[in-house]
Amino acid sequence: DADVTQTPRNRITKTGKRIMLECSQTKGHDRMYWYRQDPGLGLRLIYYSFDVKDINKGEISDGYSVSRQAQAKFSLSLESAIPNQTALYFCATSPGGTAETQYFGPGTRLLVL
Amino acid sequence: RKEVEQDPGPFNVPEGATVAFNCTYSNSASQSFFWYRQDCRKEPKLLMSVYSSGNEDGRFTAQLNRASQYISLLIRDSKLSDSATYLCVVSPPGGYNKLIFGAGTRLAVHP
Repeated sequence: DADVTQTPRNRITKTGKRIMLECSQTKGHDRMYWYRQDPGLGLRLIYYSFDVKDINKGEISDGYSVSRQAQAKFSLSLESAIPNQTALYFCATSPGGTAETQYFGPGTRLLVL
Repeated sequence: RKEVEQDPGPFNVPEGATVAFNCTYSNSASQSFFWYRQDCRKEPKLLMSVYSSGNEDGRFTAQLNRASQYISLLIRDSKLSDSATYLCVVSPPGGYNKLIFGAGTRLAVHP
């Protein structure tokens, strides 16, 4: 079984709808991240969390919110989806401390019409 | 200026070729450096870390030049399975496990 899972894997929604992307991990890592990837651009950090009570904005947090329900779960919400939020979304985890390697989930492909 | 810049490619090379990718970063205080590999429509995966003294992992060699703020990846004896996008990744000062990703360089190895 995969260590980092994301649901759904693909989603089509309409402008103005609220949607939630979910991420779960079995790696036991404290740190979790949400990124989006657009063609021709690097992955960009949306939000990150270093433990259950810690939430931090990343580079492009406007229009997004997150919830860290447990060490293993980190959800990303689009309160009112817009077409320019069409992208590939990745969740990632890292053990923290001096270890900086991040482990990515398989991604969620989102299309906002 | 982008924080991490890479030539997008694509680099089209025959099997067995040697190919090199370059990457520059803007923040001279950056702490750690990595190459990740991303297959089409898949998640990025760590290929290797990049150390100041340079490091090698099989057919892959990574180099770091802090003075020029430049990172390189050399792939020798290219295989068809090396076809992927290679992401240059930098950890900014203060770190906190935050990573800055380049847009990637695409490699296509053909028979």
